[in-house]
Amino acid sequence: GAGVSQSPSNKVTEKGKDVELRCDPISGHTALYWYRQRLGQGLEFLIYFQGNSAPDKSGLPSDRFSAERTGESVSTLTIQRTQQEDSAVYLCASSLALGRANEKLFFGSGTQLSVL
Amino acid sequence: AQSVTQLGSHVSVSEGALVLLRCNYSSSVPPYLFWYVQYPNQGLQLLLKYTSAATLVKGINGFEAEFKKSETSFHLTKPSAHMSDAAEYFCAVSPASGSARQLTFGSGTQLTVLP
Repeated sequence: GAGVSQSPSNKVTEKGKDVELRCDPISGHTALYWYRQRLGQGLEFLIYFQGNSAPDKSGLPSDRFSAERTGESVSTLTIQRTQQEDSAVYLCASSLALGRANEKLFFGSGTQLSVL
Repeated sequence: AQSVTQLGSHVSVSEGALVLLRCNYSSSVPPYLFWYVQYPNQGLQLLLKYTSAATLVKGINGFEAEFKKSETSFHLTKPSAHMSDAAEYFCAVSPASGSARQLTFGSGTQLTVLP
């Protein structure tokens, strides 16, 4: 497809388990972003990739969270030892160029993570 | 530092009525402002953006927003609501001289359109 694709769309896991969330950005998009959206709240920035490097990891809430990107394409967000407070929708977005402030972000439909 | 406040987490209007979704921002530097829309089971889509050109910005689907610096507002309007406008709307702000990763989103307003 032509849009940003995220998988799985829903993930239910037990507390303490590790999860991997995948994002396939639009082909050719250099910048990639991960956000978290808790119920009733706005989007919370997690991490930004420019190509395969992550110049800004300032939003990652703890060392249980990590992300990588390969081939300037697919990105994986990994949450280790999940906690109930990790339950949220995780959104991925990509943009064409250098991540400038006026750029249009293209979002995936998100992964709904539920930690029991 | 910057922030966005969306007044009203839920707004209901009748089909054909005016849509007004409120957004106030706080920014210590000149801002760029955005409205994104999220239809059910879809990703967020850019509706319109203000990037320091005209203060009245027109977007897709008949929506527009006006940047009012004196009121620190960027309210979203549409003269006549359609059933297909039912969605969640997010206002966002970033520093004009910054980068997209500095985008700060509001908590969203769920718009319901009644027949």
